Amino acid sequence: QKEVEQDPGPLSVPEGAIVSLNCTYSNSAFQYFMWYRQYSRKGPELLMYTYSSGNKEDGRFTAQVDKSSKYISLFIRDSQPSDSATYLCAMSRGSQGNLIFGKGTKLSVKP
Amino acid sequence: GAGVSQSPSNKVTEKGKDVELRCDPISGHTALYWYRQSLGQGLEFLIYFQGNSAPDKSGLPSDRFSAERTGGSVSTLTIQRTQQEDSAVYLCASSLDSVSTEAFFGQGTRLTVV
Repeated sequence: QKEVEQDPGPLSVPEGAIVSLNCTYSNSAFQYFMWYRQYSRKGPELLMYTYSSGNKEDGRFTAQVDKSSKYISLFIRDSQPSDSATYLCAMSRGSQGNLIFGKGTKLSVKP
Repeated sequence: GAGVSQSPSNKVTEKGKDVELRCDPISGHTALYWYRQSLGQGLEFLIYFQGNSAPDKSGLPSDRFSAERTGGSVSTLTIQRTQQEDSAVYLCASSLDSVSTEAFFGQGTRLTVV
């Protein structure tokens, strides 16, 4: 079993839809959870960062972490065509050290 | 520079040749990471540098891979005797001190081994 599992999609939604992206993980030692967005032929950029369990909201984006279920989610409200990208979840055991990434979910938002 | 700079952006090499990939992190960032992204795969951790500490090399896939970071700044990833399975995008990232601060990624070097 891989440490981090993420459905690669692709996921296609109409503009304005609510998007739900998810990752599961197996290592209970993970404490830091991130979501990155990656446009084609670009490096990933950090969208959301969460420490331990709970919710975090930033504009149209909400990140949720449920450590008891080893499950993290990213919700995008009022999705826009410009949100079309690959979304990667990432996590780390400690504040220093490498990030473990999911394979990424490719999202397409149709106008 | 304003961001993480990687060079070259594209590299085509013949099987068996050695290649060097360069990463110039954001000035003042003490943490530097190398990742590999193959088609349809997520980012695979390769190596992590933090300040003057010994690097975490646990992700290097074989002894053909090595990396160094000179003067706590520029890093070079070297792949010796390249194989076709080494073809991937090699991404470098830097952060101020740890994963609790944002890791900024470069655009990557697309390596093709023919």
